[in-house]
Amino acid sequence: NAGVTQTPKFQVLKTGQSMTLQCAQDMNHEYMSWYRQDPGMGLRLIHYSVGAGITDQGEVPNGYNVSRSTTEDFPLRLLSAAPSQTSVYFCASGQGAITGELFFGEGSRLTVL
Amino acid sequence: GQNIDQPTEMTATEGAIVQINCTYQTSGFNGLFWYQQHAGEAPTFLSYNVLDGLEEKGRFSSFLSRSKGYSYLLLKELQMKDSASYLCAVRGLTGGGNKLTFGTGTQLKVEL
Repeated sequence: NAGVTQTPKFQVLKTGQSMTLQCAQDMNHEYMSWYRQDPGMGLRLIHYSVGAGITDQGEVPNGYNVSRSTTEDFPLRLLSAAPSQTSVYFCASGQGAITGELFFGEGSRLTVL
Repeated sequence: GQNIDQPTEMTATEGAIVQINCTYQTSGFNGLFWYQQHAGEAPTFLSYNVLDGLEEKGRFSSFLSRSKGYSYLLLKELQMKDSASYLCAVRGLTGGGNKLTFGTGTQLKVEL
């Protein structure tokens, strides 16, 4: 059971470039989300989805796009990378409100020069 | 909105007990979570409280007081491997059952 898989694990971009962080889960979870983690800032929610075809903004959505065409996949797109988007990105999925537990991917470290 | 406060750093001795506090202010509350994150790794789920009281799970316990907006994570018989960041997170009433807002984390260092 792979759980939540993120790719790539490391990426270096130049300012203005675009890229997509991939996230896939094999647990049939309805809920998927993207967080970024910066020193002293904790985990901040970028976008989330409660099911295929449904997405919503989190706390820090500017500069990022998402889509949810299938239950399994939730890609995060950086439209025009900026140095302020240098961060570690985590994808997380969950199923249901009973426990609310989130399962995290291993993270993607992005550096924007 | 939600505001979550927890200490930035704590140090404790191997074999001892440590309590990590978390206070929160939220417009709607539907559960408090604790996660553990080792350096360079993903967060992993530790505990969940939605009702007042203590939840015990092995060496780890978590307490919640909804009226005080307060929770703590209690770690007993500390081991070196418990050195990690401990994240307090709150679930609100919107965004489905898994939308969590995290605090900035408490970095725990366990010393000999």
